Amino acid sequence: DGGITQSPKYLFRKEGQNVTLSCEQNLNHDAMYWYRQDPGQGLRLIYYSQIVNDFQKGDIAEGYSVSREKKESFPLTVTSAQKNPTAFYLCASSTRDRGAYEQYFGPGTRLTVT
Amino acid sequence: KQEVTQIPAALSVPEGENLVLNCSFTDSAIYNLQWFRQDPGKGLTSLLLIQSSQREQTSGRLNASLDKSSGRSTLYIAASQPGDSATYLCAVHPSGTYKYIFGTGTRLKVLA
Repeated sequence: DGGITQSPKYLFRKEGQNVTLSCEQNLNHDAMYWYRQDPGQGLRLIYYSQIVNDFQKGDIAEGYSVSREKKESFPLTVTSAQKNPTAFYLCASSTRDRGAYEQYFGPGTRLTVT
Repeated sequence: KQEVTQIPAALSVPEGENLVLNCSFTDSAIYNLQWFRQDPGKGLTSLLLIQSSQREQTSGRLNASLDKSSGRSTLYIAASQPGDSATYLCAVHPSGTYKYIFGTGTRLKVLA
């Protein structure tokens, strides 16, 4: 089955530690995205990548880093510089089909930092 | 700057009712608009995508319409069921970008 996988589902870390969230897709999509979701708020874009070895900052990139070495993979690192990292993180990918860009999401990773 | 608003923020209806969820956006220059469903603690599931040249899309009991000139989209759910209970989000894809702009969602509860 084609889709997007995120691991782990739940992640617990101590304050001051960096942590990396995994995102893999087998949909052959060029573009990939990382969003953060907090209770009562909409999705906020952290980083996005249109093509391998290229990525752009979204609206809330401070304290986060990404890499895009393979088309299938777009890992997100939450660094100790991120002031409030506890949140639900969603990875997505998209492709252009018949003029429309449809976005697909993974199941998410809930990160708790104490 | 494109902004997306969804009203109401929450809605509770008895089973069997037909209902309409609203999504408004400020800039009509979009590639498409997409409706999603999100269950608690889960990712987003795509329901319908309407391209900028289209007026509506249908899938089963769901019908989404798009009026670009007024900056509005509606998601119509026919004969609602308890299993429809979830948060519904709309997102627009502004022209000339790879970014999507999301609304904050409508939390729907269908009572048995």
